Amino acid sequence: GESVGLHLPTLSVQEGDNSIINCAYSNSASDYFIWYKQESGKGPQFIIDIRSNMDKRQGQRVTVLLNKTVKHLSLQIAATQPGDSAVYFCAENNNDMRFGAGTRLTVKP
Amino acid sequence: DTGVSQDPRHKITKRGQNVTFRCDPISEHNRLYWYRQTLGQGPEFLTYFQNEAQLEKSRLLSDRFSAERPKGSFSTLEIQRTEQGDSAMYLCASSPRGTEDTEAFFGQGTRLTVV
Repeated sequence: GESVGLHLPTLSVQEGDNSIINCAYSNSASDYFIWYKQESGKGPQFIIDIRSNMDKRQGQRVTVLLNKTVKHLSLQIAATQPGDSAVYFCAENNNDMRFGAGTRLTVKP
Repeated sequence: DTGVSQDPRHKITKRGQNVTFRCDPISEHNRLYWYRQTLGQGPEFLTYFQNEAQLEKSRLLSDRFSAERPKGSFSTLEIQRTEQGDSAMYLCASSPRGTEDTEAFFGQGTRLTVV
């Protein structure tokens, strides 16, 4: 079946650097995508979303890029901080919101 | 309203016992989702409700699992005859879906351990 997936399971960056987390999706009909952050022992926390009629959306220190041609999403975190260390999931919401396995981001001081 | 609330936070049960979890969504959120998450994996979709109607149930969900949302507010997830493979974090989320999908807000989860 169609699914959401991630390119890399782990990412390690230096504090202050920018982070880029990638996500591939396979359902070309998907029109709404969400990035979540999950810290250990907690539920996923909404970061930013994007609809298919956009290719870029910016939040505070975060930017999501959507490339519908290649069915790819990315989450960019500017000036990564130790508090950004977590697992990041992309999800596509076609009524039944589906998640990939996630990318663990580790920020080194 | 402080967000999605799940109860209990932790549950240890013996294999073969039945367990029931409760989720209280954010007020007036008409959509409610249940997920299961094991260590190192993303949340796995189980089922979702639009108000009191259960609109979809994962094919992966065995008939030992049942969910209800009788009045379109809180929801319960019951697992009958628990097995060790049921050990996981069970997450609930809600969203105020109108004409478009919107982000879902998650609770802290119920961690189930079957011994």
